[in-house]
Amino acid sequence: QQQVKQSPQSLIVQKGGISIINCAYENTAFDYFPWYQQFPGKGPALLIAIRPDVSEKKEGRFTISFNKSAKQFSLHIMDSQPGDSATYFCAASSRDSGGSNYKLTFGKGTLLTVNP
Amino acid sequence: DARVTQTPRHKVTEMGQEVTMRCQPILGHNTVFWYRQTMMQGLELLAYFRNRAPLDDSGMPKDRFSAEMPDATLATLKIQPSEPRDSAVYFCASGLVRSAQREETQYFGPGTRLLVL
Repeated sequence: QQQVKQSPQSLIVQKGGISIINCAYENTAFDYFPWYQQFPGKGPALLIAIRPDVSEKKEGRFTISFNKSAKQFSLHIMDSQPGDSATYFCAASSRDSGGSNYKLTFGKGTLLTVNP
Repeated sequence: DARVTQTPRHKVTEMGQEVTMRCQPILGHNTVFWYRQTMMQGLELLAYFRNRAPLDDSGMPKDRFSAEMPDATLATLKIQPSEPRDSAVYFCASGLVRSAQREETQYFGPGTRLLVL
């Protein structure tokens, strides 16, 4: 059972363009939605995260849009650069028994290629 | 520059052999995770520990996998006996849970690439 569905699997964007990656979830107990970025041969690293009490969060060129009623959230990368070429994972979590949002369920990832 | 370290980085073994992967979390972190990454399944949480105690290992095949934290600076993931379907990249991640915060960043290590022939 895939609890977080991510699309597209791969994405090719020209330098300067906008990259958009979408995720959908079913579990209404999820209340924390991070995005992780992974470069080849490296472990994932947190990029940006959002809670459902806001509809949008922006950090530099990266923006998360969140639609609670539709149970969807997306990552927008503005002015995409070749250095953004990586695999992006959305994730979701609900609180564990200790009260923290540590148990993440990941989407299957999107391979982003930004052409120069 | 604090980071999670994992050893070995690469491991090739034959079916039936025991495999042990080690992780050194960032000093001071109290939560350690083990993930498995494959093309087909993506990133799967196998188990995680808080203050060295197992909090959740529901994602781990119990018959052949075991995870432990002998001390605060070492986490191990063991597969015995290994099978070809265990071939994957295994990541360790660590984080610090603070009572005042609910969301915490997980810091991933570079992974152990395992190939079981």
